[in-house]
Amino acid sequence: NAGVMQNPRHLVRRRGQEARLRCSPMKGHSHVYWYRQLPEEGLKFMVYLQKENIIDESGMPKERFSAEFPKEGPSILRIQQVVRGDSAAYFCASSPGVNTEAFFGQGTRLTVV
Amino acid sequence: GIQVEQSPPDLILQEGANSTLRCNFSDSVNNLQWFHQNPWGQLINLFYIPSGTKQNGRLSATTVATERYSLLYISSSQTTDSGVYFCAVGDNQGGKLIFGQGTELSVKP
Repeated sequence: NAGVMQNPRHLVRRRGQEARLRCSPMKGHSHVYWYRQLPEEGLKFMVYLQKENIIDESGMPKERFSAEFPKEGPSILRIQQVVRGDSAAYFCASSPGVNTEAFFGQGTRLTVV
Repeated sequence: GIQVEQSPPDLILQEGANSTLRCNFSDSVNNLQWFHQNPWGQLINLFYIPSGTKQNGRLSATTVATERYSLLYISSSQTTDSGVYFCAVGDNQGGKLIFGQGTELSVKP
């Protein structure tokens, strides 16, 4: 049973470009969470999705950030018009249900130059 | 929202020593997990422990939910235990995890 798969592992974007981060949850997991880790900090919740639905986006910046988890395919975190402050590690987690054990992918390290 | 505090923030040990890491949280929770973030940034699940005591090799954890704290014990530490240890609790509104700031552990040979 493969773990949570994230790609790419590393992503470099110039200011103003778009970044797309992908996450495939573990088999049998229908709950997906995105977190951001700034340098030397802990992880901060961004968004919680189930198939085709955003359940909680209270941690998402109001502009430029969006997320989806379509019926088919991976979950996507999209950042438009990236700025240097978006440079961080973005982690995806999945779980089989609410308040069950969550498992994390290896993260995507975004660098904005 | 729920506040999660970990202590100590930093810890330096000699190989073979034992340690206790603490996690305090401000409200009742239905989910608590401990993670190890290794020097390569990977988050490794250690324990899913909303209450009670669990052991896995040299590591064990105890959560006293009524008193809102959890402890992670590391015995006979090894250099490969180095990294950051995070406690994360699930909020009661949907299951997202709230992370503490972590304890950075360095084990010296």
